[in-house]
Amino acid sequence: AQKITQTQPGMFVQEKEAVTLDCTYDTSDPSYGLFWYKQPSSGEMIFLIYQGSYDQQNATEGRYSLNFQKARKSANLVISASQLGDSAMYFCAMLGGDDKIIFGKGTRLHILP
Amino acid sequence: DSGVTQTPKHLITATGQRVTLRCSPRSGDLSVYWYQQSLDQGLQFLIQYYNGEERAKGNILERFSAQQFPDLHSELNLSSLELGDSALYFCASSVTPGTENTEAFFGQGTRLTVV
Repeated sequence: AQKITQTQPGMFVQEKEAVTLDCTYDTSDPSYGLFWYKQPSSGEMIFLIYQGSYDQQNATEGRYSLNFQKARKSANLVISASQLGDSAMYFCAMLGGDDKIIFGKGTRLHILP
Repeated sequence: DSGVTQTPKHLITATGQRVTLRCSPRSGDLSVYWYQQSLDQGLQFLIQYYNGEERAKGNILERFSAQQFPDLHSELNLSSLELGDSALYFCASSVTPGTENTEAFFGQGTRLTVV
């Protein structure tokens, strides 16, 4: 069975510091995709970044990068130079061979001024 | 704006009632996913449709049903509503399912409150 684990229910980080949000996954599918989404207090889900299991390089999108370690089955999100607007809930998700996108329980990130 | 449209944004209804949530996917996206987000359960996958056909099923109750129409919009029907059905219901769309480099984009969600 596929599983996504986010072990950090909440994090507090000083503004302008880099943040790493942990995500580990479990799947037996050779081909899968990993996503990160941001959910601000407004409730919408915002797509941040995607990593395919066969991608050779770690995905980057602006201040977001995905630290993909396939052997360890981890896909941590790194936010560089955090901003107050980064305060939100962050979800790691996986799309596997059964065509379901499953989510972790999320990490609530608080950026402190 | 993700391009995925969900209506209504808010819905308040009584126990025992039936409601329909609507989702219009992004232009060109054939696959639609439905999720339920409640405070204690996190984001739960309910069901997925691809080009009108049910593709994958998750933790969807028998009281819930969904369909995807020829114009690719989808509806989630919730019946015999209970207090515990109060949640944020999200729809997401993607080009194709099970394909690498597939990004799923979410609508803004429908907040359902059952009283």
